[in-house]
Amino acid sequence: GQQVMQIPQYQHVQEGEDFTTYCNSSTTLSNIQWYKQRPGGHPVFLIQLVKSGEVKKQKRLTFQFGEAKKNSSLHITATQTTDVGTYFCAGRGVSMTTDSWGKLQFGAGTQVVVTP
Amino acid sequence: KAGVTQTPRYLIKTRGQQVTLSCSPISGHRSVSWYQQTPGQGLQFLFEYFSETQRNKGNFPGRFSGRQFSNSRSEMNVSTLELGDSALYLCASSLTPGLAGVVVSTDTQYFGPGTRLTVL
Repeated sequence: GQQVMQIPQYQHVQEGEDFTTYCNSSTTLSNIQWYKQRPGGHPVFLIQLVKSGEVKKQKRLTFQFGEAKKNSSLHITATQTTDVGTYFCAGRGVSMTTDSWGKLQFGAGTQVVVTP
Repeated sequence: KAGVTQTPRYLIKTRGQQVTLSCSPISGHRSVSWYQQTPGQGLQFLFEYFSETQRNKGNFPGRFSGRQFSNSRSEMNVSTLELGDSALYLCASSLTPGLAGVVVSTDTQYFGPGTRLTVL
């Protein structure tokens, strides 16, 4: 069935540095959503990407959706302590032949720790 | 507009007991999904309800069940609790359910604070 994988699982970043987290699906996705969960909190929606090759920016965050709609990335520039948390990607597969069809599949998340 | 509410926030049970968790979606949202979150496992999809009907179910044993009421409120039940059921149970509401293969901009998940279940 469809699987959504995220790498890396953990990311230690020095404040001010850039980093990228990646999301890969075994099947084609109709769209990709990104969520952020602060320590002790619940996931909060960040953005949705729909089109092949789409790029969206939110201040220091840049989101990309791959051309084949099977992968996505989140790039954060000039990391700040407010960026601490776990970033999840989630997508729904387009294939009706998998048992995960129709289900929103979340990746395991990338836990980001920022060192001042 | 009030957010998603979940009750109770914390729960301690012993093995073999059963538990019922409640979720009230954002007003106007008709779709409710449930997720189990454990360290290192991310968010595992349990089920999704829309208009009182279960639309999708994750790969969990039959001990996990749920339902949705006419006012869109939802409950999930876990019977015969096991130690491994200890987790944060998150409920999320959306305007509509997502449709595979179709871009639906109204299926953004709005999460509640979760219920922390500890099984001893």
